[in-house]
Amino acid sequence: AQRVTQPEKLLSVFKGAPVELKCNYSYSGSPELFWYVQYSRQRLQLLLRHISRESIKGFTADLNKGETSFHLKKPFAQEEDSAMYYCALSTGGGNKLTFGTGTQLKVEL
Amino acid sequence: DGGITQSPKYLFRKEGQNVTLSCEQNLNHDAMYWYRQDPGQGLRLIYYSQIVNDFQKGDIAEGYSVSREKKESFPLTVTSAQKNPTAFYLCASSGRDNSYNEQFFGPGTRLTVL
Repeated sequence: AQRVTQPEKLLSVFKGAPVELKCNYSYSGSPELFWYVQYSRQRLQLLLRHISRESIKGFTADLNKGETSFHLKKPFAQEEDSAMYYCALSTGGGNKLTFGTGTQLKVEL
Repeated sequence: DGGITQSPKYLFRKEGQNVTLSCEQNLNHDAMYWYRQDPGQGLRLIYYSQIVNDFQKGDIAEGYSVSREKKESFPLTVTSAQKNPTAFYLCASSGRDNSYNEQFFGPGTRLTVL
């Protein structure tokens, strides 16, 4: 069965510091990975997907099939990055998503 | 916001009662989903529907039921058989326009069992 692991419940960094939110997955097939974000008092929304290979709000994530990881990175954290981040795995079959438990990112001044 | 709506925002239920949560979307999306969000557990899939009049169980379907009579609507009923129903419930939808890759979420309903 597929599984997504986000080992950090809370990550606190200073403004301007690099950020790395960890995500590991287990799935025997070809995965599609996503990062979703939930800002305070806002809806859960897509941040980025590995298939697009894009940078959104300065964030990037590279799929590493060898390490089964999809870590989210940003070189310089901003205060507005404070939010709850969820890594998600799609394994097809109805386009279901399996979510990790989430990491709360707090960017301090 | 618009697009996908959920009602009510807060819902209180007595033990032993069934309660129905509403989810409506005007995005013309074929697929709709229900998730349950608990602290420290992320989102867990309850039910999903890829097309009208068809739906499948997710990972935690016990104690829940759904219907999909219209494309726009996917109501979730939390039955008295659900042992721990107090939670935050999120509805989502996705469509063919982005190959179903992106799910759009509603604002959620917080259910509390008294």
